[in-house]
Amino acid sequence: NAGVTQTPKFQVLKTGQSMTLQCAQDMNHEYMSWYRQDPGMGLRLIHYSVGAGITDQGEVPNGYNVSRSTTEDFPLRLLSAAPSQTSVYFCASSYRPSGKYYEQYFGPGTRLTVT
Amino acid sequence: AQRVTQPEKLLSVFKGAPVELKCNYSYSGSPELFWYVQYSRQRLQLLLRHISRESIKGFTADLNKGETSFHLKKPFAQEEDSAMYYCALIGAGSYQLTFGKGTKLSVIP
Repeated sequence: NAGVTQTPKFQVLKTGQSMTLQCAQDMNHEYMSWYRQDPGMGLRLIHYSVGAGITDQGEVPNGYNVSRSTTEDFPLRLLSAAPSQTSVYFCASSYRPSGKYYEQYFGPGTRLTVT
Repeated sequence: AQRVTQPEKLLSVFKGAPVELKCNYSYSGSPELFWYVQYSRQRLQLLLRHISRESIKGFTADLNKGETSFHLKKPFAQEEDSAMYYCALIGAGSYQLTFGKGTKLSVIP
C-alpha cells in the first residue's frame, strides 16, 4: 500500500491565485481530514470527511473548500490564496483497528508559500 | 471542550540524559491518548498510544487519569530523538484528533 499520498510537495502561489492540493489513500479508510501546521500553533483541523459525499468544517475552514466524490480522494481547494495561508498542509486518513478508538495516518505534507 | 496542553515549546537535553515531555489534557470521558513524532520536514508518525502500553524506540508514556496527564519518557536520550513531538487526544467513537501545540526536543551531543 502507498498509504496516504499528497501532491504537490511544494507550491508557491501569488496572492489571489487558486489551486488544489491533492490527497489520496489506498487503505479504504472512511475518514479523511486536512490539517495545517504553523509554528507554535500545532496542527489545526481545516475540513474533514466521514465518507464519500460527506464533508464538514474543522477549526479553521475559512478560505478552503473540500469535496469527497470517492473514498480514495479528498482534495483541498484554495479559492483565492492569501499570505496567511502560507503553511504546511497535511492530509490524514483514519480507521479503527479494534475497540472504540480511531487511528490516523498522515501524508507527507505540502509546503505552500503565498507571496 | 477537549484540550491538549504541552507546556514546553522547546526542550534541550544532553545525550544520555533522561527525557520527559509533558502532556496534560482535559476531556469529559475516557479518551485515547497518542504521541506523534515528526522528524525534520517529514510526515507525522505515530509513536505510541496509551491503550497499547508498548515501548517504541525506548519511549514510554503512562496515562495518569487523576492528574489528566500523559507524559512521554525515555531514560537515555539519543541524538536521533531530536524531533517535534505532539501529544494528541481522541474520544471514544470520534474521528477527530485534538493536538497539542508540540514540543521540539533537541538532544545535544
